[in-house]
Amino acid sequence: KNQVEQSPQSLIILEGKNCTLQCNYTVSPFSNLRWYKQDTGRGPVSLTIMTFSENTKSNGRYTATLDADTKQSSLHITASQLSDSASYICVVSEGSNYQLIWGAGTKLIIKP
Amino acid sequence: NAGVTQTPKFQVLKTGQSMTLQCAQDMNHEYMSWYRQDPGMGLRLIHYSVGAGITDQGEVPNGYNVSRSTTEDFPLRLLSAAPSQTSVYFCASQEQGPYSNQPQHFGDGTRLSIL
Repeated sequence: KNQVEQSPQSLIILEGKNCTLQCNYTVSPFSNLRWYKQDTGRGPVSLTIMTFSENTKSNGRYTATLDADTKQSSLHITASQLSDSASYICVVSEGSNYQLIWGAGTKLIIKP
Repeated sequence: NAGVTQTPKFQVLKTGQSMTLQCAQDMNHEYMSWYRQDPGMGLRLIHYSVGAGITDQGEVPNGYNVSRSTTEDFPLRLLSAAPSQTSVYFCASQEQGPYSNQPQHFGDGTRLSIL
């Protein structure tokens, strides 16, 4: 069964610190992997989209990595800010019917 | 540029009532979709449309109808509300379908409670 698992479920870090969020998937065949940021009470906003051939993609202080062999991705946040407090969702696009498989998200809280 | 606009933002219904959730986008995107988001779960696709006049079912279509008479608008209709439909509903648009490597643009959701 196609699944996307994210860890941890929640994470609390101090402002200014770095953190890494994990995404493991069993989706096959693979088309692309997306990371979204969802602020409380808002819709998801796209951070990065990576295809099979890309293993790193950055968007400001956000850097996503992809290991298609082990079916793992991570999202690294550098020098966290209070505005980074949000849920981060990993989404994998299945490569035959292009169904999007959504993870449940990691809730990140940045404390001053 | 407004992007994707959803109305209303909040709604409370009684079991058995019907209502329409509105979604409009001003980016001339062909592909639009409706999701529901429930606690502890990933977004689930309800219905989608690849262009005006064309709609199809997603993962959880039962109890919902959609129509796409124009490129801009994609309303979602609850036929007879049930407590299991209590959820947050998101509308999204994308320039092309999910086969493309383009991001989806989401509205800010409608929070729906069914009593």
